[in-house]
Amino acid sequence: GAVVSQHPSWVICKSGTSVKIECRSLDFQATTMFWYRQFPKQSLMLMATSNEGSKATYEQGVEKDKFLINHASLTLSTLTVTSAHPEDSSFYICSARTNLAGFPRDEQFFGPGTRLTVL
Amino acid sequence: GENVEQHPSTLSVQEGDSAVIKCTYSDSASNYFPWYKQELGKRPQLIIDIRSNVGEKKDQRIAVTLNKTAKHFSLHITETQPEDSAVYFCAARVNNNDMRFGAGTRLTVKP
Repeated sequence: GAVVSQHPSWVICKSGTSVKIECRSLDFQATTMFWYRQFPKQSLMLMATSNEGSKATYEQGVEKDKFLINHASLTLSTLTVTSAHPEDSSFYICSARTNLAGFPRDEQFFGPGTRLTVL
Repeated sequence: GENVEQHPSTLSVQEGDSAVIKCTYSDSASNYFPWYKQELGKRPQLIIDIRSNVGEKKDQRIAVTLNKTAKHFSLHITETQPEDSAVYFCAARVNNNDMRFGAGTRLTVKP
């Protein structure tokens, strides 16, 4: 149980285009989803936190108009990188938590990540 | 907000030796401390975690200790094997808030 998937696993796009990344909790309802960005040989940096049906809370320095997050259901969150530029190239990882009975209360389950390359 | 520092950034040990990675945190209200192992290009995998009401936890070759007074926690891997080579991240979380990660430690186990 507690599987999180991401799609696509990798994407290459031209500068100025938008890219949507999907994060799904496959066998549980994710009450909270998190989006992280990881540059090569660096740590995971939290971009935003979203609760189902609510607006995402962005970390300081993360542009909410550039990184659009939608958490429309308990099993799906999307991150859209708008007008992507080469400096947006990174590994984007989502994770999910649930407060439902039967699942570890504190644990965050991570998706496999999406490698974005902007040319 | 929470700030997590992790040391060392790289660690090389001989197969069979022990490895210790240390982290400190800033927010005394943090109550959940997981450790993740990440292989290149893959998702972080939880290897062990500890909550603030426990001082030590062990799972086979892996153990974590927590010192709430000093606000630091450590990962101990005994009898290291080449497959333990990876990047290890510590993290800390305050209640239901976001989890903050340390900078990571690249562990290399030499056969």
